[in-house]
Amino acid sequence: SYDLTQPPSVSVSPGQTASITCSGDKLGDKYVWWYQQRSGQSPVLVMSQNNKRPSRIPERFSGSNSGNTATLTITETQAMDEADYYCQAWDTNNYVFGPGTKVTVL
Amino acid sequence: EVQLVESGGGLVQPGGSLRLSCTASGFNFNNYEMNWVRQAPGKGLEWVAYISSGGTSIYYADSVKGRFTISRDNAKNSLYLQMNSLRAEDTAVYYCARVLLRACDYWGQGTLITVSS
Repeated sequence: SYDLTQPPSVSVSPGQTASITCSGDKLGDKYVWWYQQRSGQSPVLVMSQNNKRPSRIPERFSGSNSGNTATLTITETQAMDEADYYCQAWDTNNYVFGPGTKVTVL
Repeated sequence: EVQLVESGGGLVQPGGSLRLSCTASGFNFNNYEMNWVRQAPGKGLEWVAYISSGGTSIYYADSVKGRFTISRDNAKNSLYLQMNSLRAEDTAVYYCARVLLRACDYWGQGTLITVSS
């Protein structure tokens, strides 16, 4: 089975940049999707196919994917960005989620 | 507005069965693939099952294969998950999610399944 790895937590100050990584074997050869889940809420898709931002997602969210690592970057981080973030890939008829990264805005 | 509403959750004993439903509105349901995704208390997301728009292609996570069955009724705009031989480790919030280009682009609010004696 295919596995994805994420750091358990990332801390960022308001207005600064947060980078959340997702690692997997030759992940750059696959598409990666990212989800935001605020406390007590359902997940929301924030990045599609590595770097395509859904229309309802702010421009401060961006994504990249190369080598073994995909990255979701949040610039000018706001308090409302505090949430759990999950990466997702697709591998041979399986949807694979990363373990999630808790982003804390201090 | 896209809406997905899950129902059918509750408390069930180990070894028991439960059927979840997801009612869709705000989009042409029979044009979209669908997923069930679950989240154990305090844990991350786990994909459970996938069904194609016409119901002809179905995939399951290894953890539920042989116990869970995904199905859909496009005439009723509804997605289902029949869960048999339930175990304590199946305890989770179960979400239905619309699939677009292998992304879960819309999610329901989830329904809680608790497997306990």
